[in-house]
Amino acid sequence: QVTLRESGPALVKPTQTLTLTCTFSGFSLSTSGMRVSWIRQPPGKALEWLALIDWDDDKYYSTSLKTRLTISRDTSQNQVVFTMTNMDPVDTATYYCAREISSGLGLDFWGQGTVVTVSS
Amino acid sequence: QSVLTQTPSVSGAPGQRVTISCTGSSSNIGAGYDVHWYQQLPGTAPKVLIYGNNNRPSGVPDRFSGSKSDTSASLVITGLQAEDEADYYCQSYDSSLSGSHVFGTGTKVTVL
Repeated sequence: QVTLRESGPALVKPTQTLTLTCTFSGFSLSTSGMRVSWIRQPPGKALEWLALIDWDDDKYYSTSLKTRLTISRDTSQNQVVFTMTNMDPVDTATYYCAREISSGLGLDFWGQGTVVTVSS
Repeated sequence: QSVLTQTPSVSGAPGQRVTISCTGSSSNIGAGYDVHWYQQLPGTAPKVLIYGNNNRPSGVPDRFSGSKSDTSASLVITGLQAEDEADYYCQSYDSSLSGSHVFGTGTKVTVL
């Protein structure tokens, strides 16, 4: 079955770079139509889409954050790596990775999320 | 920042019908992009409830239904149950945001 799991630091300091890894199973990111997105949710607030990488290694980023974001993949390890530079306390959130198939089923599988706190 | 606007909260008694609206614009819902709906129970990751405007994944009860018209979409819950108390988000895509996915502002459903 399809599973995704986020991993990374729970605490980062302001101005540092956050690196998160999404390790998945049950599908291959090399298969046509497959995509993995990163989404975040500040405490008590709405979901915010951040970035996506697809089967063709195309990458898409949130317009408002794109200068700070990088997404990459390691298909041999079934992993997607997400980085966000220059972290600020407002970036404190739960960060999720989720799978999507381009045929239009929505973000059909999500990881449990990882809580990231930005504080000195 | 969300470009899809939802009513912050709706409530209803068990058995009642509630409607959650999601208002977008001509660059997202109005451009013909699909709308998906997610349910987020307290302390858990979101789960897809409706995909492709009006389709339910296997296992989602048929009391949940979706529709889309012009620049808006709706999620209807008929026969509200206590376990439906959750946050609900719509999601679509926006042509003005370089391939971005966009989420709604979220709606809290309270079962009285």
